Amino acid sequence: QQQVRQSPQSLTVWEGETAILNCSYEDSTFNYFPWYQQFPGEGPALLISIRSVSDKKEDGRFTIFFNKREKKLSLHITDSQPGDSATYFCAASAETGGYKVVFGSGTRLLVSP
Amino acid sequence: DTTVKQNPRYKLARVGKPVNLICSQTMNHDTMYWYQKKPNQAPKLLLFYYDKILNREADTFEKFQSSRPNNSFCSLYIGSAGLEYSAMYLCASSTLGGAETLYFGSGTRLTVL
Repeated sequence: QQQVRQSPQSLTVWEGETAILNCSYEDSTFNYFPWYQQFPGEGPALLISIRSVSDKKEDGRFTIFFNKREKKLSLHITDSQPGDSATYFCAASAETGGYKVVFGSGTRLLVSP
Repeated sequence: DTTVKQNPRYKLARVGKPVNLICSQTMNHDTMYWYQKKPNQAPKLLLFYYDKILNREADTFEKFQSSRPNNSFCSLYIGSAGLEYSAMYLCASSTLGGAETLYFGSGTRLTVL
């Protein structure tokens, strides 16, 4: 049973456009949602995160929108750059879940110049 | 220095033979994780160490072992490799709690023939 789902599996946008990556989850105890960015040959690295008490988190060109009622969140990348081309993983964890972080299967983003 | 190192980068193993993967971190993190990543699938948590306490996921309990001789090092051991073990193995570390940032190594790509 997949607890964290991501869509689309892959996404291509032109440079300067806004890329929207979607994520949904099932476990209502999840209260922390990090997004990890992974470049080829490297391990995933934390990009931005949000806690369930907030509905929006911004960091430069990256914004998370969070809808607790629908158990959905999305990552918006504005003014996309070719250097943003990477795989993005949505993840979730719960304070009561011990130390487990559950990942989605990722969205592969390609930004064409 | 936020570094998690994994050795080797690539590993070739024969069916039925043992495999030992190594991970080290220099951040004095108390928790270390092992994830298995297959193409187009989510990173799957195999086990984690909180300090000296090993926690293995129920569905992979029989397949993987681990040791943590000191705070900095953690190994992943497969007693008898099968074809289904071919995957990328990612090590990560964090401070206490799943609501903290995971720091990943670059991974070890295991191919079982």
